[in-house]
Amino acid sequence: NAGVTQTPKFRILKIGQSMTLQCTQDMNHNYMYWYRQDPGMGLKLIYYSVGAGITDKGEVPNGYNVSRSTTEDFPLRLELAAPSQTSVYFCASSYSATGEAFFGQGTRLTVV
Amino acid sequence: KNQVEQSPQSLIILEGKNCTLQCNYTVSPFSNLRWYKQDTGRGPVSLTIMTFSENTKSNGRYTATLDADTKQSSLHITASQLSDSASYICVVSLMYSGGGADGLTFGKGTHLIIQP
Repeated sequence: NAGVTQTPKFRILKIGQSMTLQCTQDMNHNYMYWYRQDPGMGLKLIYYSVGAGITDKGEVPNGYNVSRSTTEDFPLRLELAAPSQTSVYFCASSYSATGEAFFGQGTRLTVV
Repeated sequence: KNQVEQSPQSLIILEGKNCTLQCNYTVSPFSNLRWYKQDTGRGPVSLTIMTFSENTKSNGRYTATLDADTKQSSLHITASQLSDSASYICVVSLMYSGGGADGLTFGKGTHLIIQP
C-alpha cells in the first residue's frame, strides 16, 4: 500500500518558469490537500478538494492552480514561479473532512 | 475562530531525559486530537489519536493526555532517543465539517532536538 506519493522530491526552477507537482493516493480518499511549509514554520493550506471535479482555495492560493479529474490524482500547478514560492510542498489525503490526514514525503522546491 | 496553539516553539534536551509538549485549542465542537511526528525532510505521520472520552493514551515511549474541559493536551516523551528529534504537530478535528477544509486545524508544531 503506497499511500500518498509525490513527485518530484526536489526541483530547482528559474523565476518565471512553470511546473506541476504530482500527487496520487491509492486509499480511495475523497479529500485531498496541498500544503506548503516554509523553514521553521507550520503547514499552510494552499488548495483542497472534496472529490473529483471539486476544488477550493485554502489560506495561501495565490500563484497556484489545481485540478482533480480523478479520485486518485491532485496535481498542483505553478504558472510563473517566484522566489516567494521556495518552500517544501506536502500533499495529503483523508477519508473525510475530520479524519486522519495521510501525508506524502514532500517536494522541496527552490526558485532562483 | 478555531485555533491550535503549541508550546514551546522549540526545545533542546539531552538524550535519555523526559520532556512534555503542550497543545491548547479552541476548536469546537471537538471530535478528536492527533499528535503527528514530522522527521526532517519527511511528511508528518500520526502518533496517536485522542477522543473526547479518553484522558491518556500511550504509544511506546509517547504518552498523550487530554483534558477536554480545559481544552488542553500534552505529549510526554520518556527516556528520549536521538531518533525523537523531530517536529511534533497537534491537529484538532471538528465533530462535523461544512464540507470544506475547516475540519482539521493544525498547530505550528514544537521543534524538538535531542542532544547526545
